[in-house]
Amino acid sequence: ETGVTQSPTHLIKTRGQQVTLRCSSQSGHNTVSWYQQALGQGPQFIFQYYREEENGRGNFPPRFSGLQFPNYSSELNVNALELDDSALYLCASSLGQGAYGANVLTFGAGSRLTVL
Amino acid sequence: AQKVTQAQTEISVVEKEDVTLDCVYETRDTTYYLFWYKQPPSGELVFLIRRNSFDEQNEISGRYSWNFQKSTSSFNFTITASQVVDSAVYFCALSEAAGTASKLTFGTGTRLQVTL
Repeated sequence: ETGVTQSPTHLIKTRGQQVTLRCSSQSGHNTVSWYQQALGQGPQFIFQYYREEENGRGNFPPRFSGLQFPNYSSELNVNALELDDSALYLCASSLGQGAYGANVLTFGAGSRLTVL
Repeated sequence: AQKVTQAQTEISVVEKEDVTLDCVYETRDTTYYLFWYKQPPSGELVFLIRRNSFDEQNEISGRYSWNFQKSTSSFNFTITASQVVDSAVYFCALSEAAGTASKLTFGTGTRLQVTL
């Protein structure tokens, strides 16, 4: 069983640019969520996708958007990058059923974004 | 709003010592889930344990044990006979049971360093 894979692992952008991060979910999982982890902090929930639709969002502005594809893989897009967007972006997959709060998430190793 | 506090920023122990990681949480929900995740240097978060708010029975799983006390809103995690491979950042997290997404609220983490 393959785990969650993310690409790219590292990237550098300049302020104002746009970035797309990609995630392949674990085999058998149908739900993908994204988290932002600033240096020295815990991950913060950005949003979750289930059946190709966003079904939960944290306190992030609309310039953070995403997609989920029929094969359950996902993209995170960030427009108009700001310096504070520099962080590790973690993708997590789970089998969405029943009580979402109980779901155990399987995380990828993350994409580290640096905004200059 | 939900909140998780991990007051210990960093702990250093010598191999074979026992170590307890503290976690205090705040929530207005009556039903919720608590988690511990481990983040090694490679970056991915690894699930360790999950507890629901109705189950205060403390358990031991191998070298891991946890102490859930609803009266003090604490969910502490103990590693017995620590090993160098236990060195990582440990996160406590909280999720709503009735939410529409697997939205975890994480603490800021405790960095555990185990030396020989």
